[in-house]
Amino acid sequence: EPEVTQTPSHQVTQMGQEVILRCVPISNHLYFYWYRQILGQKVEFLVSFYNNEISEKSEIFDDQFSVERPDGSNFTLKIRSTKLEDSAMYFCASSVAGLNEQYFGPGTRLTVT
Amino acid sequence: QKEVEQNSGPLSVPEGAIASLNCTYSDRVSQSFFWYRQYSGKSPELIMSIYSNGDKEDGRFTAQLNKASQYVSLLIRDSQPSDSATYLCAGMFSGGYNKLIFGAGTRLAVHP
Repeated sequence: EPEVTQTPSHQVTQMGQEVILRCVPISNHLYFYWYRQILGQKVEFLVSFYNNEISEKSEIFDDQFSVERPDGSNFTLKIRSTKLEDSAMYFCASSVAGLNEQYFGPGTRLTVT
Repeated sequence: QKEVEQNSGPLSVPEGAIASLNCTYSDRVSQSFFWYRQYSGKSPELIMSIYSNGDKEDGRFTAQLNKASQYVSLLIRDSQPSDSATYLCAGMFSGGYNKLIFGAGTRLAVHP
């Protein structure tokens, strides 16, 4: 069964460093998303992406964040200058169409020290 | 501000019983709802989607949506210890460009 994959599974970085989190969505899916979950808190929407453009972004997704689909398979989230409060699990998700079910990857645990 | 609310639990049920998980939401103009299961330290796993009023059954799971009462529920029949997890209710609302708004989740514990 096709699934969303994410790398790395765990990333440790120092405050102020740039990180890139990588995702490979399910191959026939057209909509891609990033969510994050701070330990013990709700899953929060960050950004949705369709047709090589951002469809919507949350207040969390400020100028320090960017997304890119550099080729036909990868979807990346970049945090330019990490802060301690960026420590969280970051989940990539994809869906066939906009209103359809979203399937989540296993997540990347980001630890900012 | 659109919100999805869930009782955090834990909801404790004996093996073989029916577990009933509930969710309410604040915006009348809803599109669809989804139930995810999340084991500790893992990612959300989609269990059910429901797009219109009424019931939807899939195996041991039944999702119910009542848009007039702004209420969504998930019933798990013949609960197993392996069902012990946090169940997340997520809504997709009009004007939301496909983003999911999650509740905080209800922790379910099924004891033998």
